[in-house]
Amino acid sequence: EADIYQTPRYLVIGTGKKITLECSQTMGHDKMYWYQQDPGMELHLIHYSYGVNSTEKGDLSSESTVSRIRTEHFPLTLESARPSHTSQYLCAARQHTEAFFGQGTRLTVV
Amino acid sequence: GQQVMQIPQYQHVQEGEDFTTYCNSSTTLSNIQWYKQRPGGHPVFLIQLVKSGEVKKQKRLTFQFGEAKKNSSLHITATQTTDVGTYFCAGYTGNQFYFGTGTSLTVIP
Repeated sequence: EADIYQTPRYLVIGTGKKITLECSQTMGHDKMYWYQQDPGMELHLIHYSYGVNSTEKGDLSSESTVSRIRTEHFPLTLESARPSHTSQYLCAARQHTEAFFGQGTRLTVV
Repeated sequence: GQQVMQIPQYQHVQEGEDFTTYCNSSTTLSNIQWYKQRPGGHPVFLIQLVKSGEVKKQKRLTFQFGEAKKNSSLHITATQTTDVGTYFCAGYTGNQFYFGTGTSLTVIP
């Protein structure tokens, strides 16, 4: 089983709130990714990082930010949550080959 | 934008029938990976193909990488209810790692 963890697993939050989704991995992998996914649908890349102090924007990055101060930690922050942010957020880490995914955070914005 | 497309988007099959999903990239890929995501779960790595024209098998699953390294396929022989889920290809091109759009498979008992 992969050593990549996401918290919280489930979150219900009000519109306009600022939230941070946590992702941590103990594998020492340089590359980390955040995806937004509705059930059974496409994985939309939000942000990615190739290592410490490296962050890049994906296709859905405009309403969120990330940081990569340590190899093992890659948090995602939504500055002002909206109902359109209701979705599942998946974090992944990879080194040279396969990507390992966390269990995901299921976010509901009311 | 999305550079790796999969067809079909959805597929319903009777248990025992075969299933194929196709993955097409607009650019040449260094390698192609396949993942399976069970309902309510997260994507799990199945296999990686690297060489042009490569074919690999895992029990009832057959994976193929095209000669031009721009397309790939996953074929499941005699589907079972445990095959239910969404299958994603993923390709590495340049510095970018892209997931395909996914094919959602439903197996009817």
